[in-house]
Amino acid sequence: QVQLQESGPGLVKPSGTLSLTCAVSGGSISSSNWWSWIRQPPGKGLEWIGEIYHVGSTNYNPSLKSRVTISVDKSKNQFSLRLSSVTAADTALYYCAKKGGYSYGYGFDIWGQGTMVTVSS
Amino acid sequence: EIVLTQSPATLSLSPGERATLSCRASQSVSSYLAWYQQTPGQAPRLLIYDASNRATGIPARFSGSGSGTDFTLTISSLEPEDFAVYYCQQRSNWPITFGQGTRLEIK
Repeated sequence: QVQLQESGPGLVKPSGTLSLTCAVSGGSISSSNWWSWIRQPPGKGLEWIGEIYHVGSTNYNPSLKSRVTISVDKSKNQFSLRLSSVTAADTALYYCAKKGGYSYGYGFDIWGQGTMVTVSS
Repeated sequence: EIVLTQSPATLSLSPGERATLSCRASQSVSSYLAWYQQTPGQAPRLLIYDASNRATGIPARFSGSGSGTDFTLTISSLEPEDFAVYYCQQRSNWPITFGQGTRLEIK
């Protein structure tokens, strides 16, 4: 069973860059799946940030596209998120998630536990 | 961007009752709609994909229906563990979007 674990700094200064990593265990990141980042501001709903395929293809939310980079490291079986020029509005619980394949209607079938990132000086 | 509007925002029911949650899309998403359950302190869990298909391990009391712009998640007889927040999500158009959620609370 695939498991995901997010890691990274819990506090980032305004105008800085948020960097998170999602470690994949129990399976290979090179399997035929897309790997996503999703965030949830405190007390609010879910926002899809973007996704990556193991060969490096990416899709990003246009609302964040100018600030987001998602990359994959197959040697470490992990993928990463970088979000630049952060503000308080980027304070959220950040999840990594695996998009299931055709047999799951491409729904997000596996999620990490989430990591809280606060943007504050 | 496709906007998903969920109603009601909060639904108060008792265990054993039937719950009906709605998700309306700003334009057709065909059947490319999923439902998730989120309990406090936990990540969302996939319940339903492609409008009406239960994900692995999801009890039969959960069912989904609809197509186009109007969708429904039904919980036939509420169990104590079903009281949570429910989100719908579409994958028909980029970007992937979620509804704002319906909170199902114990009456």
